[in-house]
Amino acid sequence: QQQVKQSPQSLIVQKGGISIINCAYENTAFDYFPWYQQFPGKGPALLIAIRPDVSEKKEGRFTISFNKSAKQFSLHIMDSQPGDSATYFCAATISNSGYALNFGKGTSLLVTP
Amino acid sequence: EPEVTQTPSHQVTQMGQEVILRCVPISNHLYFYWYRQILGQKVEFLVSFYNNEISEKSEIFDDQFSVERPDGSNFTLKIRSTKLEDSAMYFCASSDLPGTSSPLHFGNGTRLTVT
Repeated sequence: QQQVKQSPQSLIVQKGGISIINCAYENTAFDYFPWYQQFPGKGPALLIAIRPDVSEKKEGRFTISFNKSAKQFSLHIMDSQPGDSATYFCAATISNSGYALNFGKGTSLLVTP
Repeated sequence: EPEVTQTPSHQVTQMGQEVILRCVPISNHLYFYWYRQILGQKVEFLVSFYNNEISEKSEIFDDQFSVERPDGSNFTLKIRSTKLEDSAMYFCASSDLPGTSSPLHFGNGTRLTVT
């Protein structure tokens, strides 16, 4: 059973555009939703995370939107840059379980010049 | 900035052989994790470890797998008898606080190839 579903699988955006990646989760006990960025040959790195007590969190050009009733959350990258080209993973966990993260399948983002 | 370091970066082993993957978590961190990523697929949780005990493990982490903190700095993952399907990138990760109170830091992984 796939606990976290992520879409799209791949995304091509022009420089300056908005990249949007969506995730949906099954388990209503999840209470921590991070997004990770992964470059080739590197481990995932935390980009931004949200807890369900807020509907939106913004850090620089990165925004998470969270819809608890729909069990969905999304990552928006504003003013996308070629340096943002990477694989992005959403994840979810129950905080009391620590970092037993359930990852989505990943989105390969390419930002063209 | 402190890093989680993993060695080796690439390990090739024959099916049925034992393999040990090594990690040095960030020095003041107390919570340790192993994840794996089969090529082209999602990252999967294997095990979490705290205070010399396994805190949680996934169904992937069967009797073929074990973890150990042999000294004050290393954290290892042992696969007793490797199978072809164990071929993956293995990531070690660590955090300094319980739960999700502090960020999780990943190493750059060890690519395990089982032939």
